[in-house]
Amino acid sequence: QQPVQSPQAVILREGEDAVINCSSSKALYSVHWYRQKHGEAPVFLMILLKGGEQKGHEKISASFNEKKQQSSLYLTASQLSYSGTYFCGTETLGTGANSKLTFGKGITLSVRP
Amino acid sequence: DGGITQSPKYLFRKEGQNVTLSCEQNLNHDAMYWYRQDPGQGLRLIYYSQIVNDFQKGDIAEGYSVSREKKESFPLTVTSAQKNPTAFYLCASSMLAFDRGLSEHFFGPGTRLTVL
Repeated sequence: QQPVQSPQAVILREGEDAVINCSSSKALYSVHWYRQKHGEAPVFLMILLKGGEQKGHEKISASFNEKKQQSSLYLTASQLSYSGTYFCGTETLGTGANSKLTFGKGITLSVRP
Repeated sequence: DGGITQSPKYLFRKEGQNVTLSCEQNLNHDAMYWYRQDPGQGLRLIYYSQIVNDFQKGDIAEGYSVSREKKESFPLTVTSAQKNPTAFYLCASSMLAFDRGLSEHFFGPGTRLTVL
């Protein structure tokens, strides 16, 4: 089952902040965040692991609420280059050696001058 | 330069024909994945492989087949049984770290398949 991302779309002025969310109905081991520009491949931003370890991008932060199985990505002082579609991918607990990511439908974020 | 390549970038095929999409990586990653992307649907997993000569079905495997004869290569065949094959196909690879969850996915540039 795909994680649910919200809101569906975000429009910002340069310099504004945004928060985008990812929610799962299953117990999660990790949450990944990727950004995709139109017609290009998704690019890795962040991994959040169960237990609080966070690895990823310098200018973007994120949180992982293990109790609620939710993750939020925080974009501060947005730049034009932040525009794109943001996907979360979730890794569920208990899948063992056959772990895989299940991606949400994505959130389109547009930053305007 | 290490990376992951897909070819061709655009592919046109007639309905009823099988077609094979290429995916090669020189990152020495154990795991490789195929995703399908349709507008508004996100990335849906077709097949994945964590070791040579072994692979698992993803969420939408029907009408597709794969092979993993070499660590570097994971070709995807879209068969005539796939009802709606027109889509953007993305290949990805990652390292495996079983005690720390899946590592980041590196994606190829994608192949846009159009079936006429």
